[in-house]
Amino acid sequence: GAVVSQHPSWVICKSGTSVKIECRSLDFQATTMFWYRQFPKQSLMLMATSNEGSKATYEQGVEKDKFLINHASLTLSTLTVTSAHPEDSSFYICSARDEGRYGYTFGSGTRLTVV
Amino acid sequence: GQQLNQSPQSMFIQEGEDVSMNCTSSSIFNTWLWYKQDPGEGPVLLIALYKAGELTSNGRLTAQFGITRKDSFLNISASIPSDVGIYFCAGGTTGGFKTIFGAGTRLFVKA
Repeated sequence: GAVVSQHPSWVICKSGTSVKIECRSLDFQATTMFWYRQFPKQSLMLMATSNEGSKATYEQGVEKDKFLINHASLTLSTLTVTSAHPEDSSFYICSARDEGRYGYTFGSGTRLTVV
Repeated sequence: GQQLNQSPQSMFIQEGEDVSMNCTSSSIFNTWLWYKQDPGEGPVLLIALYKAGELTSNGRLTAQFGITRKDSFLNISASIPSDVGIYFCAGGTTGGFKTIFGAGTRLFVKA
């Protein structure tokens, strides 16, 4: 149980375009999901907390207009990287918590490369 | 802000050896979590600790939640090649369920 599906697993886009990443909880409902960013050989940095039916909460230094988060249902949160630039290239990972257990289940991540 | 200090940064060991890594913080956490991440994948939860002093095992893995609630360690016994990966500790806070991650320990196991 507690499976989180993230899609796509990798994407290459041109500078200036937007990319949408989906995070789905497959066998549980998640009122809260989290989006992380991970640079090579570094730890996971929390970007924002996605709340179902309300606005996301962004961490300090994360541009909310650049990283749009939509948590429209109890099983889906999306992260849209708008007007992507090469410095946005990174590994993006979502996580969600199954209310019936502790610990957070992570998606398999999305490797974004902006060229 | 809250930070976790995880050590060592990397370890090179021989198959069969035991491994120990730890995390410390100046902040108190209500839960401690240990994850393993393989290259190109998301982290996978290994052990979750819920209260101070708790000692929990999962196969060859053992983790403890420090009494002060400011530290935790993870031990791996009789390491095998598939233990290779990055191990992250994470401290959980109440209410908002935010999880703060340590910098990770890279484990290399030589057969």
